[in-house]
Amino acid sequence: TQLLEQSPQFLSIQEGENLTVYCNSSSVFSSLQWYRQEPGEGPVLLVTVVTGGEVKKLKRLTFQFGDARKDSSLHITAAQPGDTGLYLCAVPGSGNTGKLIFGQGTTLQVKP
Amino acid sequence: KAGVTQTPRYLIKTRGQQVTLSCSPISGHRSVSWYQQTPGQGLQFLFEYFSETQRNKGNFPGRFSGRQFSNSRSEMNVSTLELGDSALYLCASSSRGGGTNTGELFFGEGSRLTVL
Repeated sequence: TQLLEQSPQFLSIQEGENLTVYCNSSSVFSSLQWYRQEPGEGPVLLVTVVTGGEVKKLKRLTFQFGDARKDSSLHITAAQPGDTGLYLCAVPGSGNTGKLIFGQGTTLQVKP
Repeated sequence: KAGVTQTPRYLIKTRGQQVTLSCSPISGHRSVSWYQQTPGQGLQFLFEYFSETQRNKGNFPGRFSGRQFSNSRSEMNVSTLELGDSALYLCASSSRGGGTNTGELFFGEGSRLTVL
């Protein structure tokens, strides 16, 4: 079983629509990160959330960390073709190292 | 500031061969970690090096190994290649040394390995 469950796995929408991607777990985390990976490139960090209930906004993207720090959501308003990519949530692994544990990802396709 | 550089970008090998992948981190970053990305398993942690020492290792067989040099550049090696080793291998660097583990990872574009 995956430590982080992301849903949906695939999402294909039209430009201008809104969407929400979820990252769920039964474990509690000290922090959670969201990355976006575009085809042919490595993941790029979008945001880090550390406080339960925290909400962060990045232009049309809104990130929320659950009150219990077990889950997170990513909401995109008025999606654009440039938002197309693989969205990954990640949490720190055990120990004080650079290890991250990733969810399986949500592949988003925004059609013009 | 130059990003993380991985070489080669693409390579094709046959079963039983071995391969070495290289990663140059962002200047000043001392932590380098490696990940394997496949459609079925997603991104999985291989190992992390900090100041030439392996600090953490994922759940991969001993055929997967790595090292880090004094200039922070890192290499990973896979011996006796199997078909299932076909994947995108991503290297990431971080400026984070100690303390909290919420630092940002900066990923390279990856080395895509195909094993025939």
